[in-house]
Amino acid sequence: QQPVQSPQAVILREGEDAVINCSSSKALYSVHWYRQKHGEAPVFLMILLKGGEQKGHEKISASFNEKKQQSSLYLTASQLSYSGTYFCGTEMGSGGGADGLTFGKGTHLIIQP
Amino acid sequence: DTGVSQNPRHKITKRGQNVTFRCDPISEHNRLYWYRQTLGQGPEFLTYFQNEAQLEKSRLLSDRFSAERPKGSFSTLEIQRTEQGDSAMYLCASSLYKQGETQYFGPGTRLLVL
Repeated sequence: QQPVQSPQAVILREGEDAVINCSSSKALYSVHWYRQKHGEAPVFLMILLKGGEQKGHEKISASFNEKKQQSSLYLTASQLSYSGTYFCGTEMGSGGGADGLTFGKGTHLIIQP
Repeated sequence: DTGVSQNPRHKITKRGQNVTFRCDPISEHNRLYWYRQTLGQGPEFLTYFQNEAQLEKSRLLSDRFSAERPKGSFSTLEIQRTEQGDSAMYLCASSLYKQGETQYFGPGTRLLVL
């Protein structure tokens, strides 16, 4: 079951904040966030395991709401380098990696100077 | 520590030809995944290996696709009798098995079938 990402696209000015959401209709074990620039491989940002934890990475943080089966990625004081397509990859059940990650369709983020 | 590498980076072939791609994972990683990504979509899981054993294959992986990881190190993905619909970016990822492991992606092989 493919997770649903929202919004599909967002345009920001440098220094503004953004929130990207990833929702699943199935119970999730983990959510993995990646950023991909055009023509390049997805770059790992962070992983969240079920349990509702929140993680941070410089000015990028994420949360996982187990009750809602939703994860949110928070980008604060965005920089030009944050531009790209953000994907959430989900793992269901008890984890273990058996089915790989199921990715959403992505959220395109454009940061303007 | 080098990252995941893939070769070739680009491949153009004619319909009906066979192609083979190679992936070299991060050296200590025992899991290796293959994904396919088409324009405007997220990566789609194809198959994965734990060491040399192929443990799971997606329904996306038709009989024309075969993957191997003979010594539990590098892996190859072969597509026989290519079709135009096979045109995509083929991504390889590797991880060190544990619960909630992180998958690190290679740069991908972009395939164009004419």
